[in-house]
Amino acid sequence: EVQLVESGGGLVKPGGSLRLSCAASGFTFSSYSMNWVRQAPGKGLEWVSSISSSSSYIYYADSVKGRFTISRDNAKNSLYLQMNSLRAEDTAVYYCARGPTKLNWFDPWGQGTLVTVSS
Amino acid sequence: QSALTQPASVSGSPGQSITISCTGTSSDVGGYNYVSWYQQHPGKAPKLMIYEVSNRPSGVSNRFSGSKSGNTASLTISGLQAEDEADYYCSSYTSSSTLAFGGGTKLTVL
Repeated sequence: EVQLVESGGGLVKPGGSLRLSCAASGFTFSSYSMNWVRQAPGKGLEWVSSISSSSSYIYYADSVKGRFTISRDNAKNSLYLQMNSLRAEDTAVYYCARGPTKLNWFDPWGQGTLVTVSS
Repeated sequence: QSALTQPASVSGSPGQSITISCTGTSSDVGGYNYVSWYQQHPGKAPKLMIYEVSNRPSGVSNRFSGSKSGNTASLTISGLQAEDEADYYCSSYTSSSTLAFGGGTKLTVL
């Protein structure tokens, strides 16, 4: 069974940092692009970042560029999101999701991890 | 990065058909066949329902179908069932090598 499990969420003060992780199982992790998508409380989905299978191609939404860093470790079947200079507007459930080579569809999604930025 | 435009809500009775639109531009929906649709029930993760405009993943009911005309993509659900009540989001690849989501549509089954 294909499974994605996020961890690392929590409460952090504005300006602080947090590192999210996503553990993958049930598929050949190194063959797929991976993505982070977030959803603020009561709001819609927002694509955050994508990384290609070999980490050669990395893309970010303008809203997080320069503050967030996506990375992966294919040996550990893991995806990461380093979040720095966090703002209140970064408060959201963060989902990791598997995708094809071209930024396209996301399937499946993890259960999400909640990040709350508040003083 | 602008979101794609979806109606805030749609509704239908069991057995009826409904269509949800997703309007973008020639730089996203109109320029690529990389439109997807997701279903999200409250408190749950989104689920892929349609990819590349009109393809259904394995396990998704054939009551769900997708299409595109110009800069507008559409999701049609036929034979509405109570369990179809959820939020639906469209997404599209963009010319900026990013991905845009629609604002979401709340489907109510009357």
